[in-house]
Amino acid sequence: GENVEQHPSTLSVQEGDSAVIKCTYSDSASNYFPWYKQELGKGPQLIIDIRSNVGEKKDQRIAVTLNKTAKHFSLHITETQPEDSAVYFCAAGETGRRALTFGSGTRLQVQP
Amino acid sequence: NAGVTQTPKFRVLKTGQSMTLLCAQDMNHEYMYWYRQDPGMGLRLIHYSVGEGTTAKGEVPDGYNVSRLKKQNFLLGLESAAPSQTSVYFCASSFRTGGWETQYFGPGTRLLVL
Repeated sequence: GENVEQHPSTLSVQEGDSAVIKCTYSDSASNYFPWYKQELGKGPQLIIDIRSNVGEKKDQRIAVTLNKTAKHFSLHITETQPEDSAVYFCAAGETGRRALTFGSGTRLQVQP
Repeated sequence: NAGVTQTPKFRVLKTGQSMTLLCAQDMNHEYMYWYRQDPGMGLRLIHYSVGEGTTAKGEVPDGYNVSRLKKQNFLLGLESAAPSQTSVYFCASSFRTGGWETQYFGPGTRLLVL
């Protein structure tokens, strides 16, 4: 089955700096890669996703890049703010499998 | 529109006791999922359902059963709780389309098995 590895497990940045979280996946058939943000005491919430037919997607301060050849994808957050502090999960899915495989999560702390 | 709700929010069980976790969604979603979240292990899929009356096993189904008698509800049962089932349980739902759709998560149920 699919295996998703996520790094780093914790990340601390200063407000205004950029943050990068990286994930690798094992199954070349995976074609959907969402990122979820989980705030303390809440369920995860989708913040951005990318499908395998594109290499990059951007939404304001958040961007995701995908390298299908190397089987890795990354989340980039620019101009970080204290409200970006949360746990971030990457995931991989394949059309027809109907189940996502999640990474182990990255705890991001943005220091004011 | 409440989205995805979970009942209860927190529960303490003794080993061997049984309980049912309830998930309800008001978005008319076809697909529903149960995950467990453990420290350092992300979210792992327990069971899922692609429609009323149908269920399927996920990555970690042992020790759990599920039922989807109504489209809006997805129940997760523990027949004989074990300490290894101490975890935070999340329910999610999504539309059914030909491709991928956003999964909407509930707020979670924290379960402690002593």
